[in-house]
Amino acid sequence: GIQVEQSPPDLILQEGANSTLRCNFSDSVNNLQWFHQNPWGQLINLFYIPSGTKQNGRLSATTVATERYSLLYISSSQTTDSGVYFCAVAGNQFYFGTGTSLTVIP
Amino acid sequence: DSGVTQTPKHLITATGQRVTLRCSPRSGDLSVYWYQQSLDQGLQFLIQYYNGEERAKGNILERFSAQQFPDLHSELNLSSLELGDSALYFCASSARLAGGGGTGELFFGEGSRLTVL
Repeated sequence: GIQVEQSPPDLILQEGANSTLRCNFSDSVNNLQWFHQNPWGQLINLFYIPSGTKQNGRLSATTVATERYSLLYISSSQTTDSGVYFCAVAGNQFYFGTGTSLTVIP
Repeated sequence: DSGVTQTPKHLITATGQRVTLRCSPRSGDLSVYWYQQSLDQGLQFLIQYYNGEERAKGNILERFSAQQFPDLHSELNLSSLELGDSALYFCASSARLAGGGGTGELFFGEGSRLTVL
């Protein structure tokens, strides 16, 4: 299967700081998504981004499919950004990374 | 609201019992996936269905089984429950089959939190 590695595994930020989360994958994929799992356990779709760059408010994502990585940028972080961020890619099935646990402190 | 509906949201049962988790995918989605997430763990893929047929299996125990019905809803049956089966069970759906020419976006339900005492 496709290996998906996310870094860093843990991140603690002061409110207002910016951060970059990375997702590396081991093979070509036809889908890449970023999810946010909030402290209540809900998995929320952030971006569907097989390639290119997208922005949604304070969040943006870039996928460079030819180099097999994706980046999630969080700017001006807020406490509500806390949770775990998962990257998932689709080959013959969906493969998930182990996530980046983000804690934003006021 | 993702459009994927899971019931029940919470379930508490005893070891040795059997439970059934239900999932209704987003309207129009043909693929259904089941995942298990134990405490502070990542998402473990269990099984995938497409238009009623099983298409991929992950680390699903023999005590667990699933099916997708003609109306596309799916059920995950967990039997002879053990303490270690306590977890959050997610259902997800996508329009097409992973491995095809583009799966469409994957959407998750809110999960069923199972506690085995």
